[in-house]
Amino acid sequence: NAGVTQTPKFRVLKTGQSMTLLCAQDMNHEYMYWYRQDPGMGLRLIHYSVGEGTTAKGEVPDGYNVSRLKKQNFLLGLESAAPSQTSVYFCASSYSPPPANTEAFFGQGTRLTVV
Amino acid sequence: GNSVTQMEGPVTLSEEAFLTINCTYTATGYPSLFWYVQYPGEGLQLLLKATKADDKGSNKGFEATYRKETTSFHLEKGSVQVSDSAVYFCALLTGGGTSYGKLTFGQGTILTVHP
Repeated sequence: NAGVTQTPKFRVLKTGQSMTLLCAQDMNHEYMYWYRQDPGMGLRLIHYSVGEGTTAKGEVPDGYNVSRLKKQNFLLGLESAAPSQTSVYFCASSYSPPPANTEAFFGQGTRLTVV
Repeated sequence: GNSVTQMEGPVTLSEEAFLTINCTYTATGYPSLFWYVQYPGEGLQLLLKATKADDKGSNKGFEATYRKETTSFHLEKGSVQVSDSAVYFCALLTGGGTSYGKLTFGQGTILTVHP
């Protein structure tokens, strides 16, 4: 069972470079999320999607863009990377939010360093 | 907006000690509450959940009770093992308004268990 797969797992970028993180899920989930994890700050929601073709901003959306062209994929883009975007990025998906309150499944994470 | 506050860590215990990790929340409506665990180098996994007041979630010897009157969801385990060493995250999910579908996390508590 693949579940939620993130690529790449590690990346080093120079300031100003761009990149796209890919998240793929094979569980036919409607909801997908991108979080960043920083020491002492838990997970903060960057963007999320409630279905194919839809996206919405989370808590910390600045500097990031997302797209959900296919239901199984959720892409996170950094147009011009900054050192403040050094973090571990997690993708998650779930079948539905309330009232079903189903479990969110997480990928293994992408460790991004911007120098 | 929604928020989750966890006790400060790190927490260091000896094997077979009793564990409590405090979690309190602020939310509109009637949230569902979760504990997620992150083992070293891995993504987050759901540990347990509770979807309404007075519900008790339990799994792998861990328990947490949804206390609406104190807005709390404290995690407990009677006898910890070295294999329980991980980062624990409290989280909530609400069903209404602008927070629909968003999973909000606490900052995480690092637990280290020594033999």
